[in-house]
Amino acid sequence: GIQVEQSPPDLILQEGANSTLRCNFSDSVNNLQWFHQNPWGQLINLFYIPSGTKQNGRLSATTVATERYSLLYISSSQTTDSGVYFCAVSNFGNEKLTFGTGTRLTIIP
Amino acid sequence: NAGVTQTPKFQVLKTGQSMTLQCAQDMNHEYMSWYRQDPGMGLRLIHYSVGAGITDQGEVPNGYNVSRSTTEDFPLRLLSAAPSQTSVYFCASRSYSWNTEAFFGQGTRLTVV
Repeated sequence: GIQVEQSPPDLILQEGANSTLRCNFSDSVNNLQWFHQNPWGQLINLFYIPSGTKQNGRLSATTVATERYSLLYISSSQTTDSGVYFCAVSNFGNEKLTFGTGTRLTIIP
Repeated sequence: NAGVTQTPKFQVLKTGQSMTLQCAQDMNHEYMSWYRQDPGMGLRLIHYSVGAGITDQGEVPNGYNVSRSTTEDFPLRLLSAAPSQTSVYFCASRSYSWNTEAFFGQGTRLTVV
């Protein structure tokens, strides 16, 4: 099955800093999503982005499908950005979403 | 619009007990699935359904049963709980189309003692 790798596994930043999270995947995909799991355990949809670039406030994401990677950018980090960020993908003919192991982001005031 | 609703939020079971985790969605999505999340890991697929009356196994199906009698509901049954089933369980739904996003419930934290 498709493999998903996320980097870095952990990231500690000061409030106000910018960050880039990476997701590499091993096969062509028709679905790629970024999620934020907050400290209460809820999975929050950030982006549905199988290709191209999207922006939502301080967050933006880019997926280069031909090179099999996606990037999540967080600018001007706030303490509420803390949590684990997951990338999940599925490919053609397979409805299953495969998750990476996540990037744990800690924002220090 | 409630989205995906899971009940209960927390549950403690004794080894050998049975229980059903409930999942309901109000978006008329065809595809529903159950995942478990263990510490330090991403989510792993337990079972999924592409429509009423149709279910299939994911990557970690042992010890779990599912059924799909309606489009809205997709319960997950633990017939004889084991400590290895201590985990956080998430239900998800999406439209049965190649290019739609999945939505997750708020999770059920299950502890088996």
